[in-house]
Amino acid sequence: ETGVTQSPTHLIKTRGQQVTLRCSSQSGHNTVSWYQQALGQGPQFIFQYYREEENGRGNFPPRFSGLQFPNYSSELNVNALELDDSALYLCASSHGAGGLYYEQYFGPGTRLTVT
Amino acid sequence: AQRVTQPEKLLSVFKGAPVELKCNYSYSGSPELFWYVQYSRQRLQLLLRHISRESIKGFTADLNKGETSFHLKKPFAQEEDSAMYYCALSGPGGGSQGNLIFGKGTKLSVKP
Repeated sequence: ETGVTQSPTHLIKTRGQQVTLRCSSQSGHNTVSWYQQALGQGPQFIFQYYREEENGRGNFPPRFSGLQFPNYSSELNVNALELDDSALYLCASSHGAGGLYYEQYFGPGTRLTVT
Repeated sequence: AQRVTQPEKLLSVFKGAPVELKCNYSYSGSPELFWYVQYSRQRLQLLLRHISRESIKGFTADLNKGETSFHLKKPFAQEEDSAMYYCALSGPGGGSQGNLIFGKGTKLSVKP
């Protein structure tokens, strides 16, 4: 069973630029959730995709957007990068959309630095 | 507002000592709570969930609705328990969305 993978491992961008982060879900999983983890903080929910549809969103502005593909992999796009976007971005996949009953399996994260 | 509070950033104990990691929550409704753990150089993983009422690696957690707490306990700490621990709450909509609200985490250090 292949675990959740994320790419790239880390990257550096300049304020105002756009970035795309990628996530491959664990085999058999149809749901992907994205989290932002700032330094010294716990992960903060950005949004979730279930069977290619957005299935919930946290308190993040519209410049954070996502996609889920037919193979259930996912992308997180951030436009007009700000310094505060510097964080570890975590992707988690699960068998279903209900967090109560479907364990979320986390990837290793992508470290984004905005200068 | 839904919130998870872990009051201790760092907890240091000696091997064999009891350990308790505190977690308090604020939630309107029936909460579902989880403990996640991140060992050094490993990814975040589920340790246990309230609904399962299970003991994992000797850890237990009891939901106290009166005190709105979900403290993680282990009677005898081991060095391999050293890790970052996060308490999490299943967010608005409960199971329908699956979003988790995390605390800031407590770093547990077990000394030999």
